Amino acid sequence: AQSVTQLDSHVSVSEGTPVLLRCNYSSSYSPSLFWYVQHPNKGLQLLLKYTSAATLVKGINGFEAEFKKSETSFHLTKPSAHMSDAAEYFCVVGGFMDTGRRALTFGSGTRLQVQP
Amino acid sequence: DTGVSQDPRHKITKRGQNVTFRCDPISEHNRLYWYRQTLGQGPEFLTYFQNEAQLEKSRLLSDRFSAERPKGSFSTLEIQRTEQGDSAMYLCASSLGTSGMVTDTQYFGPGTRLTVL
Repeated sequence: AQSVTQLDSHVSVSEGTPVLLRCNYSSSYSPSLFWYVQHPNKGLQLLLKYTSAATLVKGINGFEAEFKKSETSFHLTKPSAHMSDAAEYFCVVGGFMDTGRRALTFGSGTRLQVQP
Repeated sequence: DTGVSQDPRHKITKRGQNVTFRCDPISEHNRLYWYRQTLGQGPEFLTYFQNEAQLEKSRLLSDRFSAERPKGSFSTLEIQRTEQGDSAMYLCASSLGTSGMVTDTQYFGPGTRLTVL
């Protein structure tokens, strides 16, 4: 079955420093991969997605992620953190489960704190 | 673009009661999804509609849960004989898709928070 592991439940950075949120996935098929962000009391919003095109994917608000098949990773990065980036981030894999059913599987989330 | 809306935003009920939630997707979107999110976890997929047809159901969707999208527009999720373990945030999302649903960009609503006492 497909699965996704977010390696850090909490990440704290200082404003202006780089952000790295780590995600590893498992899938028997060529997956689709997404990063969503959830701000407090707001709906989930798509940051970026990979669907078998370019392996380096650029998203909104300066975020990007690189699909590395050999490492089964899809880490999210941003060169310089902003206070408004503080939120919960979810890595998501989409594909076929062993049952043949299609599904999106969300990771358990990484809470990003940005210190002034 | 008015976004995905959900009603109610909060629901408190007693164990054993039935509850129904409504989701209004973005108007031109043909696909609609329901998820459940518990505290500290990511959303878990429950079910998916393409137009009025329910195409996928998770094993999480027990017999007490039923979802409908009768005219391919809004959708309802009903939980019968609620249990304390049903307490969660129920999220709805929609997308405009022509190929496999797992490649769609999904737009999420704000959710309905259910508390079962």
